[in-house]
Amino acid sequence: GQNIDQPTEMTATEGAIVQINCTYQTSGFNGLFWYQQHAGEAPTFLSYNVLDGLEEKGRFSSFLSRSKGYSYLLLKELQMKDSASYLCAVRDQNQGGKLIFGQGTELSVKP
Amino acid sequence: GAGVSQSPRYKVAKRGQDVALRCDPISGHVSLFWYQQALGQGPEFLTYFQNEAQLDKSGLPSDRFFAERPEGSVSTLKIQRTQQEDSAVYLCASSLGLAETQYFGPGTRLLVL
Repeated sequence: GQNIDQPTEMTATEGAIVQINCTYQTSGFNGLFWYQQHAGEAPTFLSYNVLDGLEEKGRFSSFLSRSKGYSYLLLKELQMKDSASYLCAVRDQNQGGKLIFGQGTELSVKP
Repeated sequence: GAGVSQSPRYKVAKRGQDVALRCDPISGHVSLFWYQQALGQGPEFLTYFQNEAQLDKSGLPSDRFFAERPEGSVSTLKIQRTQQEDSAVYLCASSLGLAETQYFGPGTRLLVL
């Protein structure tokens, strides 16, 4: 089976850095995705990792360690608009293209 | 360019009614996925299509749920004899191919009374 774990809630201060962790167990691994979802809106694609290491995109970075079944999303220079749910999702190579999602991490950015 | 669109955005149904939810994928996207998202949870897979072929429907909760994509573009998710536990947001996503990034629509929020 598969299991994706991430914290339910996190709080951080405007201008700070926050790291959202995700651990996963799957029978086969074919990529890990991070999405941002504001309340009542569509999940928006943030990043994709399939090889070990860090992928950087502006204020957002994502890291993957396949041997540890671990990823994190790093958000720098936090802004109030970054308050949202962050979804970690894994694509299992044994299950076609479908994504297996974690429950999401609700991030609150405070002034 | 245009993203994934879904209609209606909101649907209120009485228990026992049939509903149909529509998804218009990004033009040229071959793969189309349906997910169900309960409040405070991550999306859960329902079914997916490669062109008009439904390749996996293992996530459909019961035989009351049916999806189609007859011409390999627009897709419809139909729920027959709706129950209260069907209340959720139904998300559609499309991608260029199975191994490509999925882009989501805004979802249809279904409330069954």
